[in-house]
Amino acid sequence: DAGITQSPRHKVTETGTPVTLRCHQTENHRYMYWYRQDPGHGLRLIHYSYGVKDTDKGEVSDGYSVSRSKTEDFLLTLESATSSQTSVYFCAISEGDRANYGYTFGSGTRLTVV
Amino acid sequence: DAKTTQPPSMDCAEGRAANLPCNHSTISGNEYVYWYRQIHSQGPQYIIHGLKNNETNEMASLIITEDRKSSTLILPHATLRDTAVYYCIVRVGGNNRLAFGKGNQVVVIP
Repeated sequence: DAGITQSPRHKVTETGTPVTLRCHQTENHRYMYWYRQDPGHGLRLIHYSYGVKDTDKGEVSDGYSVSRSKTEDFLLTLESATSSQTSVYFCAISEGDRANYGYTFGSGTRLTVV
Repeated sequence: DAKTTQPPSMDCAEGRAANLPCNHSTISGNEYVYWYRQIHSQGPQYIIHGLKNNETNEMASLIITEDRKSSTLILPHATLRDTAVYYCIVRVGGNNRLAFGKGNQVVVIP
């Protein structure tokens, strides 16, 4: 989607290695989110950020950490990748957390842990 | 957040209107109804949202019943490119994040 990019688009990594996924936005939106999507589970929220250096956990945060040092970048780190973290990861942005603010999603990062 | 119920799948004919139902019988007064869709392997795409009134944009129309317990997303002239999983979500702001269920796999048939 215009205004939000994820990198890399695809990555294969080995079990036990650290991995960082990047989400970059040009919309100056305050809120950013990381979701993962797996067959049978749909999209599940990992972490989100409501401002620079302000982050909180989602429903499946174990094994993941995030950082947001600039408005435009939200990084998701797998400290020691495991096969259960093989998934498609989506970043999303939102102007705010009011109910009438929708989310815009990136194109996703397909991560395979072997 | 209130839960939603959608059929797991449905087919519709190309060129015809596609009517996608959603039940949200426990919706509260400050919860919005959102529709997203996800075309294979892509990120979810926002379609439309509403609170009480019917809404229309360039992609679709959203019809919400007067008691707000159900809604219908209408794609006026379905095309093959509308084949996707459609998610109906109800959401209140604040600490409630957008939560996706299993959605409705819609297949547009030529």
